[in-house]
Amino acid sequence: EVQLVESGGGLVQPGGCLRLSCAASGFTFSSYAMTWVRRAPGKGLEWVSAILANGANSYYGDSMQGRFIISRDNSKNTLYLQMNNLRAEDTAIYYCARIVPGSFDYWGQGILVTVSS
Amino acid sequence: DAVMTQSPLSLPVTLGQPASISCRSSQSLVYSDGNTYLTWFQQRPGQSPRRLIYQVSTRDSGVPERFSGSGSGTDFTLKISRVEAEDVGVYYCMQGAHWPLTFGQGTKVEIK
Repeated sequence: EVQLVESGGGLVQPGGCLRLSCAASGFTFSSYAMTWVRRAPGKGLEWVSAILANGANSYYGDSMQGRFIISRDNSKNTLYLQMNNLRAEDTAIYYCARIVPGSFDYWGQGILVTVSS
Repeated sequence: DAVMTQSPLSLPVTLGQPASISCRSSQSLVYSDGNTYLTWFQQRPGQSPRRLIYQVSTRDSGVPERFSGSGSGTDFTLKISRVEAEDVGVYYCMQGAHWPLTFGQGTKVEIK
């Protein structure tokens, strides 16, 4: 059974940083590209970032470029999102998901990040 | 960026009646491999998103047959033949053909 479990969320002050993790199991992690998606309170889903299976290439949404860094450790079956210079508008539930051609097929349960002083 | 526009954004429906959601892309979603990468997700209250349909019209395993997807190029539709109480939630289309990946604004389905 495919499982994705996010961790590392919490309350952080504006300008602070946080690193999210997504532990994967039930599939060959190193064979799949992975992604982060978020949903801010009262808003819709927003794609954040993606990384290819071997970690060689990564992609970012416009508002995350330069502040967020996606990475992965295939030996640990874990996906990461390093978030720097956080803003109030980054407050959201962050989900990791598995990428299949042109789509996302499995999602984690999500982790809440709150940016507030 | 490929802008995804859904309509309506709010959809009150009577139980047992049909519902239809439109999704339009500012760019063709036909990828170089010939596939059209348009996905529909359902997000029930308090839950993670769940994929319903991928590549325009292929239903995921376990998705009821009352859900169907159609369309081509830039115009797509999700239909629910007879809405049930468990269908309440927000529905999103997403394009997977162009970076950055983009979602529609979401359509909130509620029971009248």
